[in-house]
Amino acid sequence: EVQLVESGGDLVQPGGSLRLSCAASRFTFNGYWMNWVRQAPGKGLEWVANIKNDGSDKHYVDSVRGRFTISRDNAKNSLYLQMNSLRAEDTAVYYCAREVSGGIDIWGQGTMVTVSS
Amino acid sequence: SYELTQPPSVSVSPGQTVSITCSGPKLGDNYACWYQQKPGQSPVLIIYQDDKRPSGIPEQFSGSKSGNTATLTISGTQVMDEADYYCQAWATKVFGGGTKLTVL
Repeated sequence: EVQLVESGGDLVQPGGSLRLSCAASRFTFNGYWMNWVRQAPGKGLEWVANIKNDGSDKHYVDSVRGRFTISRDNAKNSLYLQMNSLRAEDTAVYYCAREVSGGIDIWGQGTMVTVSS
Repeated sequence: SYELTQPPSVSVSPGQTVSITCSGPKLGDNYACWYQQKPGQSPVLIIYQDDKRPSGIPEQFSGSKSGNTATLTISGTQVMDEADYYCQAWATKVFGGGTKLTVL
C-alpha cells in the first residue's frame, strides 16, 4: 500500500525552528510533485508548499514564504519542511501529501506542531 | 488573496441528494477538486479535474462546474457520509473554508 509517514512535530517556542520529515514508500517517489498541507486545530485545510519531482521548482503560500523551506531527497524517498521563525499561528497538524494531475491523492497521517511559550 | 467560498454547513436526510457549492473568482479557469475528511482522519480525494472520480470512490459522489462555481453532489446520502468537505482550486492550491455535512 502506498504510504506517507510524517515525523518531527513538537512543541516549540515562538521564534524557534523545527524540521518535519516525511517518509514515502511503495511508489516511485521521484515521479511526483509533493506537498505540505496544514490544518490548525478545529480549522480548515491550508496548502503550505509544494516541490517538483526533481526539486527544481518550489512554491509557497504567502504566509510562510521566507520562513519555511521545502526540500526532498529522492535517494531516501523523503520530503522535508524546514520551519524557521515560528509563530503561534503556525500551530497545526502538518500533512505530507502526493499530488497528481488535478488533486492530492495520497495523504499522510499528519504530525502536530505547537508553537507556544 | 484568492478565496474560495463554501457554505459552512449543510444537512440532508438519509437517502436524499445534497449539493455543496464552491465559488471563487476565476474558478472557471481552474480545475476544482474535492476532499472528504472525517473526524480524526486525513482528507480523501473524492473528485478531481472538476468531475472525475478516483479509483475506489463510489458513484454517489459527482462533481460539476459552471462558470466560477463548482458543485459536489452526493446522491443516496448515508450516515457514513457525514464529514467535512473541502474544495480546492488546483492552479492556486487554495482550499475553500470547508462544509460540514450532517445527515439526519
